[in-house]
Formats: sequence, C-alpha cells, structure tokens
Amino acid sequence: SAVISQKPSRDICQRGTSLTIQCQVDSQVTMMFWYRQQPGQSLTLIATANQGSEATYESGFVIDKFPISRPNLTFSTLTVSNMSPEDSSIYLCSVYGTGVGSGANVLTFGAGSRLTVL
Amino acid sequence: RKEVEQDPGPFNVPEGATVAFNCTYSNSASQSFFWYRQDCRKEPKLLMSVYSSGNEDGRFTAQLNRASQYISLLIRDSKLSDSATYLCVVNMKTDSWGKLQFGAGTQVVVTP
Repeated sequence: SAVISQKPSRDICQRGTSLTIQCQVDSQVTMMFWYRQQPGQSLTLIATANQGSEATYESGFVIDKFPISRPNLTFSTLTVSNMSPEDSSIYLCSVYGTGVGSGANVLTFGAGSRLTVL
Repeated sequence: RKEVEQDPGPFNVPEGATVAFNCTYSNSASQSFFWYRQDCRKEPKLLMSVYSSGNEDGRFTAQLNRASQYISLLIRDSKLSDSATYLCVVNMKTDSWGKLQFGAGTQVVVTP
C-alpha cells in the first residue's frame, strides 16, 4: 500500500491563526481525502482533494475555513484557517490504494496531525 | 440514527479468551465493509475486509449479515497486542470511490 508522510505531526496554535498541513504520498494516487477525528469520536470526511480542480467538500465544511490544494497526484495540503479551540482535533490525510494492483480498494491513512488550539 | 453504530466498549478480555462484537449499518444499499484497527494516538490501519461469505484471517473472523444489516468481528486467543479500538467502516457505493462511513469504534482491552 501507499506510504503517506504527513506533517506537522502535532502543533499548538493560537486562536485566530492558520495552519497548513502537508501530505506527501510515495506514489501517484487518484483519490486523496482529508479527515478529521475529534477526541473520542470517529473519523469525519472533510473533503476530497481533486488534482487540478477545487476540492469537493462534505456538508458542514467550507473552502474558506479549510482550503485545500492538490497540485499533483502525490501531494496535497489542508489549511485550517482562523482557528478556534473547537478546531482542536487530529487531521488525517488518506488515499485510496496505489491506483493499481493490490490495495487498490483500500483506504490508507497518514499518521495524522494533532492540532491543539489555545 | 447514526449510519454506522458500534458498542464503544471497552471490552475487557483476559489474555487467551475470545471476544466478539458487532457493528450495525443503516443503509441497506451498502456494498463493502471493513474492519480497521486504531491504536492509541495512531492512525487507523486496515485489519480486514468483510466478504459476504464471511472470512478469516488467522485469529480474526469477520461476518456479514445483510438481512439484519450488521457485521461482526471475532478475535480468538486474544493477545495483549490486540488491545486497540476497532473501527467499522462501510462503503455505500459499488465503485472504489464510494463515500465511506466510519463507526466510532469499539475499544478492546486485553488483560494479562
């Protein structure tokens, strides 16, 4: 399966600031996703990062708050803008398989970025 | 009602014992099913896919009951390293890019 590098692994930020999380995959993948996992809860899909076009956001998430870039098939960024303590969460990048061969239908996650907003 | 529901646990299991738990889903059109394992402060990792006929992978057995809309996971001969949160994941579309729904997880604690 794909190897995903995500950074930063953790950060503590001040209210009102913004943080950009990077996700690098070791192979080209068609589908990349950004999830959020709040303390004690399950994963919630924020958006699908589309290469060469605007991300597709899920209900409750908007581009102004969570702008996403996907300049190529191996890289994406998620920005958490104008942060508040409610944004404290783990943010996870994920991809669907490697696009070919085994694992093509498996969702693989990066190690996550643990964000604390003061 | 949540689309995917799990008993949060924790299930406290003596080492060597068997533990089983279920996950119910609300959408009868759901097509594929998975169990993921998440260790504390780690990302979820695929444990196994769940096939219609049921499947086994070593000490782990997964079952699907479409009529009652639930999947199950059974762990035999539990090891201390099996302690984790097990996430039920349901895909509601036939293609690979279907929207996945995650359960909140079932915590398993294996004790010596």
